[in-house]
Amino acid sequence: DTGVSQDPRHKITKRGQNVTFRCDPISEHNRLYWYRQTLGQGPEFLTYFQNEAQLEKSRLLSDRFSAERPKGSFSTLEIQRTEQGDSAMYLCASRLRGPNTEAFFGQGTRLTVV
Amino acid sequence: SQQGEEDPQALSIQEGENATMNCSYKTSINNLQWYRQNSGRGLVHLILIRSNEREKHSGRLRVTLDTSKKSSSLLITASRAADTASYFCATDAAYLSGSARQLTFGSGTQLTVLP
Repeated sequence: DTGVSQDPRHKITKRGQNVTFRCDPISEHNRLYWYRQTLGQGPEFLTYFQNEAQLEKSRLLSDRFSAERPKGSFSTLEIQRTEQGDSAMYLCASRLRGPNTEAFFGQGTRLTVV
Repeated sequence: SQQGEEDPQALSIQEGENATMNCSYKTSINNLQWYRQNSGRGLVHLILIRSNEREKHSGRLRVTLDTSKKSSSLLITASRAADTASYFCATDAAYLSGSARQLTFGSGTQLTVLP
């Protein structure tokens, strides 16, 4: 399978715990995005990488959230001291360079904070 | 924040009918894209229309773009029960630097096609 893969698919954690999600983009895609989606809403932008550089970060992203993309390959999204409001689907997408390219999404990681 | 807003929020039709969804946005764009999402799954790209295009077709899909009104529509012809899903428009903003970065999604239209 050469699509975008995310791991884990589901995560249940207790409030206050840290969680880390992984995204493996399509290998030749230099652009990588993280989104958060809650029930009945569209994906909400969290952060954007071009190669290993984090070029954009949503103002809605608190300092409990951090993302990395070492060597411009896979990416991780960490949430520290999780809160119930963090419960959502976290989606990763990758794209080729260029202004008119489509994004390919992974299946998402569903986080439930109890 | 979500730039695109889809209308209607929910649409229910009979199999064989056409479904039309609309999207409005706020800023200048390089392109507008439509995606489909089945419940609990990732998004799947359907079609991309560039800012200098007015209409585009792909199979049973027809997309129009009116940059003067900052709006787009997605038409699905001869709908099938398998078309039941959420549909989202997404805009690629035209940054001054010329590089497209953030892909911004609307809140989506939930389409239900009844057999």
